[in-house]
Amino acid sequence: QVQLQQSGPGLVKPSQTLSLTCAISGDSVSSNSAAWNWIRQSPSRGLEWLGRTYYRSKWYNDYAVSVNSRITINPDTSMNQFSLQLNSVTPEDTAVYYCARAYSVVGRRFFDYWGQGTLVTVSS
Amino acid sequence: EIVLTQSPGTLSLSPGERATLSCRASQSVSSSFLVWYQQKPGQAPRLLIYGASTRATGIPDRFSGSGSGTDFTLTISRLEPEDFAVYYCQQYGSSPPITFGQGTRLEIK
Repeated sequence: QVQLQQSGPGLVKPSQTLSLTCAISGDSVSSNSAAWNWIRQSPSRGLEWLGRTYYRSKWYNDYAVSVNSRITINPDTSMNQFSLQLNSVTPEDTAVYYCARAYSVVGRRFFDYWGQGTLVTVSS
Repeated sequence: EIVLTQSPGTLSLSPGERATLSCRASQSVSSSFLVWYQQKPGQAPRLLIYGASTRATGIPDRFSGSGSGTDFTLTISRLEPEDFAVYYCQQYGSSPPITFGQGTRLEIK
């Protein structure tokens, strides 16, 4: 059974960096058949995919255009976890942030395991 | 970017009734990449259907998905009290971005 455990602060000041970590159990961040994602949810933007990291003989990252200039997702193989950094945050970045595993079965892809969610509020 | 539009926004039904939720894409989506989730308050989304019509592990057979191209449907044949929640469709294509619909709220009438 895969479990994803999120950690990180729930309050970030405007212009600072939002940092969250997602610890993986039951799978490996270096898995060749999974991708590790960050997704956020807010009343104004709904569910918004932010980006992913995955390993296919080497590491790859993909990011949403809306946050591409501000986001970094990094794997940590020693701790079997991955992290999200979002720079220069504004109140519009206030949301519940989720980590999620993306998996593929016969070419069909989906998010099958999710973290518990972290409400991050951007406020001074 | 593929935009997914779900309808209706809110659906009011009674337990035992049949629910039909729609997801329309702004351009054709491979059936392999269309996914449905259920979300209850305070919880993360839960995988229901992938590949447009394949139920995820442990999902009851009253849930079914269908469709192709730009029109997809999630059907719940006989509503149980625990089915009242928000439902999202999602397209997970071969290249980003990955997008979600805005959700349909299924409420008890």
